[in-house]
Amino acid sequence: GAGVSQSPSNKVTEKGKDVELRCDPISGHTALYWYRQSLGQGLEFLIYFQGNSAPDKSGLPSDRFSAERTGGSVSTLTIQRTQQEDSAVYLCASSFGLYTGELFFGEGSRLTVL
Amino acid sequence: KNQVEQSPQSLIILEGKNCTLQCNYTVSPFSNLRWYKQDTGRGPVSLTIMTFSENTKSNGRYTATLDADTKQSSLHITASQLSDSASYICVVSAQTTDKLIFGTGTRLQVFP
Repeated sequence: GAGVSQSPSNKVTEKGKDVELRCDPISGHTALYWYRQSLGQGLEFLIYFQGNSAPDKSGLPSDRFSAERTGGSVSTLTIQRTQQEDSAVYLCASSFGLYTGELFFGEGSRLTVL
Repeated sequence: KNQVEQSPQSLIILEGKNCTLQCNYTVSPFSNLRWYKQDTGRGPVSLTIMTFSENTKSNGRYTATLDADTKQSSLHITASQLSDSASYICVVSAQTTDKLIFGTGTRLQVFP
């Protein structure tokens, strides 16, 4: 696609439910990144992929968070047993190489946990 | 500790006026510095990327400066427009880490 596509754009869920957030990067971009942005806060790094590999998962807030990338393309961020503090905008970005050149961001998935 | 601090936290200006946003960082060894514009409810959009050897870089009415000695950068907006209302985020990367360090941004509001 022309840009980074994220879905859903908005998700409201009940505490304890699992959610899946999807990111479709720009075609040809090997690096993919997930960030979290709480209201009025800066971007918090979660995880990056180089191809299908995620060398550093230390940014994930807890073991309820997981992410995968298949075929060097689409990535899914899964949050299990959601908590109210998980409410935030989850942003995905991609680039040609790891931190090479511009990072192109998607519009984000706004998650609200009731 | 690698940190990026931005000032002011928020800024209000009148349409047509100029403004300058500041970014100080302690990231070392420095690799590059980026400025992003984030409209409300949207993803950040890159304005400039500057490496160690670049002192000034322009993108239309946006001009970024970098002083790698003092570890300071500024983003100057000329002849502001209503559409400049957004958060401006300074992001720095270090050579020895695979992460970007984000500032918390400056919230700019341009009023007619």
